[in-house]
Order: sequence, then structure tokens, then C-alpha cells
Amino acid sequence: QVQLVESGGGVVQPGRSLRLSCAASGFTFSSYGMHWVRQAPGKGLEWVAVIWYDGSNEYYADSVKGRFTISRDSSKNTLYLQMNSLRAEDTAVYYCARDRHYLSGSYYPYYWGQGTLVTVSS
Amino acid sequence: QSALTQPHSVSGSPGQSVTISCTGTSSDVGGYNYVSWYQQYPGKAPKLMIFDVTKRPSGVPDRFSGSKSGNTASLTISGLQAEDEADYYCCSYAGSYTLFGGGTQLTVL
Repeated sequence: QVQLVESGGGVVQPGRSLRLSCAASGFTFSSYGMHWVRQAPGKGLEWVAVIWYDGSNEYYADSVKGRFTISRDSSKNTLYLQMNSLRAEDTAVYYCARDRHYLSGSYYPYYWGQGTLVTVSS
Repeated sequence: QSALTQPHSVSGSPGQSVTISCTGTSSDVGGYNYVSWYQQYPGKAPKLMIFDVTKRPSGVPDRFSGSKSGNTASLTISGLQAEDEADYYCCSYAGSYTLFGGGTQLTVL
């Protein structure tokens, strides 16, 4: 079965960097697009970024564009989110999610991980 | 990138039906048949309930159904059960990026 396990969360000071990882198993990682979605404490879901199955396209929410970078390593079946210039408003649980579409564009999350908490605070 | 609009809360009694709306624009909900709905319990990851506007993943009860008219999508839950009490989020592809609604809290009275 599809498994997605996020890691790398923690407490970080404003302005610093953090890299999240998402280990994928149970499917052919290189055949599916992958998303990051976050949820601030007590708030709703916010889509953050997507990377296509072959890494050919990346798209970002305006709120993180220029600060966050999504990437993937198919040799390790792992998705990453490099977060730079972190702000207090980036505090959230970060979920990785697999798209539904096979060898195609990426449109919406289908399978979700359990999330990792990032707290930006001095 | 404006969030899709959902009612903050809805409620219904066991056995009744409730409908949650999700309003976007012609650039997202109205422009693509890539609307999905997620159920989330407190402290848990979201769970996909509806995808491609009307389709249900295996294991989701047929009490859950989706539809779309113009720029508004809807999730209908019939035969409400206590376990349906949760937060529900709509989601739509918007032509390179993806949007979520603000979420709707469903209370089963």
C-alpha cells in the first residue's frame, strides 16, 4: 500500500532554513507527481507546491514562491522541501501527498502522509 | 491565488442529508473537472472522499457524493452518521497550481 512518511520538522528561528523529506513506498515513485500541503495550527489546508512525476515542472503558492524549493530524488524514492527565509507564518504541519495521475500532469493530492510539524519561533 | 469559498459550518441530524458548497471561478472549479473533497478529523491527516468532481475512492461509503454546476462544486452527505462529524475541504486544480477551500466544520446534532 502507498506509504508517505515525512521527516525533518522542528523548531527553527525566523530567517533560518529547514529541509523536509518525504520517504515514499508502495508505488512507483518516478511515475507520480508529488505535492506539499501545509496546515497552520487551528487553520485550514494550504497548498504549497507540486513537482511533476519527471521533475520537469514545479509550481508554488504565491506565499512561498522564491523562498521554498520542491525537489525529488527517484533513486531514493524521496521528496524534499527546502524552506529558506522562514517566517512565523510558515509555522504549520507539512504534509506530503501523492497525485492521482500516472505519468501525467499533477492536479490534486490523492494519498497523504501523516505530516511533520514546523515551528518558526525565536 | 484566492482560496475557494466554503461555508464555515453546517449541521444536520442523524439520518438527514447535508450539502457543502465550494465556490470558485472559471479559472479553477468552473474550468476543470479536477475537484476533490477531503475529510479531516482533529489531529489527523486529510482523507480523500471525492475526486474528479463525482468519483469515490474505494472504501468511501456511497452516502458521499459530489457534483458541480458552473463555478460551484458541492459535497452531499446523505444518511448522516455521528462519525461524519469532521472538517471538510474542497480542492480544485487551477491550471498549474492547486487551491483549497477554507474548510467546513460539519456538526451532527
